[in-house]
Amino acid sequence: NAGVTQTPKFRILKIGQSMTLQCAQDMNHNYMYWYRQDPGMGLKLIYYSVGAGITDKGEVPNGYNVSRSTTEDFPLRLELAAPSQTSVYFCASSPSSSDTQYFGPGTRLTVL
Amino acid sequence: GENVEQHPSTLSVQEGDSAVIKCTYSDSASNYFPWYKQELGKRPQLIIDIRSNVGEKKDQRIAVTLNKTAKHFSLHITETQPEDSAVYFCAPLYSSASKIIFGSGTRLSIRP
Repeated sequence: NAGVTQTPKFRILKIGQSMTLQCAQDMNHNYMYWYRQDPGMGLKLIYYSVGAGITDKGEVPNGYNVSRSTTEDFPLRLELAAPSQTSVYFCASSPSSSDTQYFGPGTRLTVL
Repeated sequence: GENVEQHPSTLSVQEGDSAVIKCTYSDSASNYFPWYKQELGKRPQLIIDIRSNVGEKKDQRIAVTLNKTAKHFSLHITETQPEDSAVYFCAPLYSSASKIIFGSGTRLSIRP
């Protein structure tokens, strides 16, 4: 099993550009999550999904969108990138809410 | 509301000594209490978790204790080693929203 994979690993965007961060898991987990981690800080939940077709907002959803059309994939869309979105983005998955979250390797995004 | 407080924010201990990190939460319905470790430049990984039906759980040098009445749980690391140097996050489950909220993290340094 590959676990949780994320692409790209690094990306530099200009202000106003858009992009999609990809996340996939091959563990058949129902729950998937997107977090951002600013330098030296904790993890902030952006969006999460409890199953295909269901998504919900976390603590910091503004400026982002998600979709969950399959169990395996949970892409995160950034529209109109801003410098405040410079961060490391982690995707995670778990079998249920009260279970281990398995994290992907992260995507380091810089908006200039 | 969803509130998680983690203390201390930084902790430096002599190699071989013990370290204790405390996490306070606000949701009295929480029933799942994990701790994650994040090494520099790496993804977070679960190191130990506890559910509300037990008061303590041990795994070799690591233990977690839970006080549901006072709404706090603690991570205990004994006989600390250099590889214990990392940032540790508590992440209690907020049952009403089926999501975990990460604490702000504790940076643990082990002095040789």
